Amino acid sequence: GPKVLQIPSHQIIDMGQMVTLNCDPVSNHLYFYWYKQILGQQMEFLVNFYNGKVMEKSKLFKDQFSVERPDGSYFTLKIQPTALEDSAVYFCASSLIAWGVPAETLYFGSGTRLTVL
Amino acid sequence: GDSVIQMQGQVTLSENDFLFINCTYSTTGYPTLFWYVQYSGEGPQLLLQVTTANNKGSSRGFEATYDKGTTSFHLQKTSVQEIDSAVYYCAMRDRTGNYKYVFGAGTRLKVIA
Repeated sequence: GPKVLQIPSHQIIDMGQMVTLNCDPVSNHLYFYWYKQILGQQMEFLVNFYNGKVMEKSKLFKDQFSVERPDGSYFTLKIQPTALEDSAVYFCASSLIAWGVPAETLYFGSGTRLTVL
Repeated sequence: GDSVIQMQGQVTLSENDFLFINCTYSTTGYPTLFWYVQYSGEGPQLLLQVTTANNKGSSRGFEATYDKGTTSFHLQKTSVQEIDSAVYYCAMRDRTGNYKYVFGAGTRLKVIA
């Protein structure tokens, strides 16, 4: 089936550094999401993105977070600067657009495990 | 606010046992309900979804009924196999303008051969 690719699968950085998580969504999908999952806890919504704009974000999407998809390439999540509490698995997801609204089925990547030391 | 509750953190069964994973939801809207499954090392993938109240969804032997009366969407399977070992997430998405998904905490199923 359709695949969402996330690169890298694991990243270790020092607190205060910048990190960029990359997501290659399903090719004809136009609506994108980031979710955060701390080990052993539930997956929580961070942000969704469409047509070059953030459509909705949660309280977890701090000012240090930003997303973009320059020139239709990777959909990225950038954290600058990172904090210890940013350690988690970050899942990217994408969906089709149908009649101007995001389709109901989400396709998830395998996640990027971010470890902030 | 909207919420999805999965009370069972972990379920351990033997092969061919009956599976029941509890899920209840709370919303003032009109949601579509989903079950996603996450195998080890992978992202969640859609298992089944139901849009209309009182309907049942099924896939790969799993089934769930959208019960608006009890606001529940429990997942069942008659006979589980070791390959069903995974984390199962119940989720909902409102269909009336708010497109944000709400996921439950997940239930880890371990099936022993």
